[in-house]
Order: sequence, then structure tokens, then C-alpha cells
Amino acid sequence: GIQVEQSPPDLILQEGANSTLRCNFSDSVNNLQWFHQNPWGQLINLFYIPSGTKQNGRLSATTVATERYSLLYISSSQTTDSGVYFCAVDQGAQKLVFGQGTRLTINP
Amino acid sequence: EAGVAQSPRYKIIEKRQSVAFWCNPISGHATLYWYQQILGQGPKLLIQFQNNGVVDDSQLPKDRFSAERLKGVDSTLKIQPAKLEDSAVYLCASSLSSGRGSSYNEQFFGPGTRLTVL
Repeated sequence: GIQVEQSPPDLILQEGANSTLRCNFSDSVNNLQWFHQNPWGQLINLFYIPSGTKQNGRLSATTVATERYSLLYISSSQTTDSGVYFCAVDQGAQKLVFGQGTRLTINP
Repeated sequence: EAGVAQSPRYKIIEKRQSVAFWCNPISGHATLYWYQQILGQGPKLLIQFQNNGVVDDSQLPKDRFSAERLKGVDSTLKIQPAKLEDSAVYLCASSLSSGRGSSYNEQFFGPGTRLTVL
């Protein structure tokens, strides 16, 4: 099956810093989603981005489907951005395959 | 618009006992999913329903896990008997999509049920 790899596995930053999270996938996909899992375990939708670039406030994402990767950018980090960020892909059967996540810690 | 609802939020049971989880998807969403998330890992799909029919249950341990979505709306996931390795968060998700090939299949997740098997 498709492999989804996220990097880095852990990231510790100071408040106000910028960060880039990467998601590589081993095969072509129909759908890619980025999620933030908060400390209470809730998965929050960030982006539905099978290709192209989207922005939402301090967050933006870019997916280059032909090169099989996606990037999530977080600017001016806040402590509330802490948590685990997951990338998940779907090859057309509407089944999401998740990466292992990037654990982001923002220190005040 | 209300999100995906799940209950209970937490459950602690002894091994070999049975347990059931409930999920109510976003109104109008045709597709419903159950995922298992073991600590430190990403969620893994257990079963996918399209309306009240099963689309994919290839990763569901059918000797102990069962799920149903009788009227094409809410769903229950049952484990009987539970094992220690079933300790995990069970996440329910739904999407609007009406069938394979639909372009609108963004999935939305509920808060999850945290199961501890002692």
C-alpha cells in the first residue's frame, strides 16, 4: 500500500518562530488532508489540498502532486499551535492513510 | 452545523469484557468511517460505510470487532471480547461523498473514545 512519511517527527520552537512540516507519499493520490490533533485528541481539519496552494491565516499548505509531497507552513507560532500535525492521503477509494505525524511544541 | 458526535468519551474495561461505541455523523453525510489510533501512531481505518452498506472492512479484526449502520445515519462499533492491545482511541469520521469518484470527500472527525483495557 501507499507509504506516507512525515518529517521532522518532533519540532520544538519558541513562540513567534516559523516552521515547515513535510509530507512525502509513495504513489499518486486523489486527496490530501492536513490535520492538527490538539492535546485533547481532537483532529481538526486544516486543509483539503490534493494540489496547489492554500492559505488560512497564519497557516498555508502546498501540495506538489507530481513530485509526491506536501508542505505545511506555520508562521508566527503561538503556544496554541502545539500538538501533533498529521498528513493523510486518499488514492481514490475515500480511505485516508495517515502518516506518523509531527509533534510540534511551541514554548512561550 | 453540528460536528461528528461520539460517546462515550472514555471507557475503562477488563480484558475479555465487551464494549460498544456510538457515532452520529454530520447531517447529510453519506460516508462514515471508524478509525483506531494507538498511542504515538496515526489513525488506521477499521471500516467504511456508504449509507448503510459496508464499503471496506478489510482491516477490521472480525473475530472480535463488529460494526453496523442500520439506517444509514448513526453507527455502533463493538468489541467482544476485548484484549489489552485494543487500548486505543476510536475515532469516527464522516464525509459528504455519495459514491466512489465523488470529488467532495473531505473527512471530518469526532472527538474520539479513549478505550483502556486492563
